Amino acid sequence: NAGVTQTPKFRILKIGQSMTLQCTQDMNHNYMYWYRQDPGMGLKLIYYSVGAGITDKGEVPNGYNVSRSTTEDFPLRLELAAPSQTSVYFCASSYSLGGNQPQHFGDGTRLSIL
Amino acid sequence: GESVGLHLPTLSVQEGDNSIINCAYSNSASDYFIWYKQESGKGPQFIIDIRSNMDKRQGQRVTVLLNKTVKHLSLQIAATQPGDSAVYFCAEKLYGGSQGNLIFGKGTKLSVKP
Repeated sequence: NAGVTQTPKFRILKIGQSMTLQCTQDMNHNYMYWYRQDPGMGLKLIYYSVGAGITDKGEVPNGYNVSRSTTEDFPLRLELAAPSQTSVYFCASSYSLGGNQPQHFGDGTRLSIL
Repeated sequence: GESVGLHLPTLSVQEGDNSIINCAYSNSASDYFIWYKQESGKGPQFIIDIRSNMDKRQGQRVTVLLNKTVKHLSLQIAATQPGDSAVYFCAEKLYGGSQGNLIFGKGTKLSVKP
């Protein structure tokens, strides 16, 4: 059981470039999330999705876009990369949204914008 | 400031000793709390959770204590092992939160000395 899989693991971008961070889960979870983790800090929610076709903004959505065409996949898009987006990005999924269930995380994508 | 925080950023313990990692939260409306372990280069891994209607919950070698009076959460690890070395995060979920997202603390780094 793979759980939550993120690709790529590492990436270096130039300012202004675009890229898509991939996330897929095989646990049939309806709820998926994207977080960023800056050095020495906790995780901040970027976007989340309650099911295929439904997405919503989290705490720090500016500069990012998401889509959810299937239950399994929840890609995160950076259109115009900026140095402030240098971070580690984590995708997570959970069984329920409002209920008390833990979120399961992937191993992250380490992104540097130069 | 952040709703969830930690009293100590680093904790060093001797192998075999018990570890106690503390977490303070400021939102009395939080109804669910989770402890995560994050090893270097990995995503957060679920350890144990507790609902606000409980004071204590035990897992394998771990115990979480919740004191709602002083808004304090702690994680106790019995017979700490080198494999327990990691950063530990507490997270809280607000009751009725529409996003279902978790608010994370900054983390405590646990180092286990052999």
